[in-house]
Amino acid sequence: KQEVTQIPAALSVPEGENLVLNCSFTDSAIYNLQWFRQDPGKGLTSLLLIQSSQREQTSGRLNASLDKSSGRSTLYIAASQPGDSATYLCAVAEGYSTLTFGKGTMLLVSP
Amino acid sequence: GAVVSQHPSRVICKSGTSVKIECRSLDFQATTMFWYRQFPKQSLMLMATSNEGSKATYEQGVEKDKFLINHASLTLSTLTVTSAHPEDSSFYICSALKENYGYTFGSGTRLTVV
Repeated sequence: KQEVTQIPAALSVPEGENLVLNCSFTDSAIYNLQWFRQDPGKGLTSLLLIQSSQREQTSGRLNASLDKSSGRSTLYIAASQPGDSATYLCAVAEGYSTLTFGKGTMLLVSP
Repeated sequence: GAVVSQHPSRVICKSGTSVKIECRSLDFQATTMFWYRQFPKQSLMLMATSNEGSKATYEQGVEKDKFLINHASLTLSTLTVTSAHPEDSSFYICSALKENYGYTFGSGTRLTVV
């Protein structure tokens, strides 16, 4: 059974810092990996989608990498801003319908 | 893009009543939609997979008679929580998969059963 772990569970940084969120998964036979953002009491916003054949994806200040063989992904946030404060979820898809989530990393960026 | 609309965003109901939550894909057709549940500070847990025109597939431990799912069209899936009880209070989120785009999620429904 696929398990997804996110480290750290919570992270507090001052504005302007670059930071890395980590995601690991136990079964490397994945279809794709997706990073989401969730604001308190809100639904999920998709940030980046990495297909199993890709190594990284970039969007603005966000960069996500994928190393299938080691079962790891990282989400890099450059020049963090208070508006980046949210919970970041990593999810792996093992097929068309199965999506397994980590518990998330709660990020707080202070002004 | 791929937009999923979920309604209502918040609902408070009395114990014993039923509540219907709608999930619509606005700009694409979704043959499959998914329903998740999230308890505070916990990860999302898949409840069921909703297939257009056929019965939903429920995850182990999810009562199909309590959580009724209907996917009558390619753009609409509904989740009905029947005979709701306080322990059903949770955050429910739907999602749909768009090919080459990934999963898109609705904004969620906060259900409070009093």
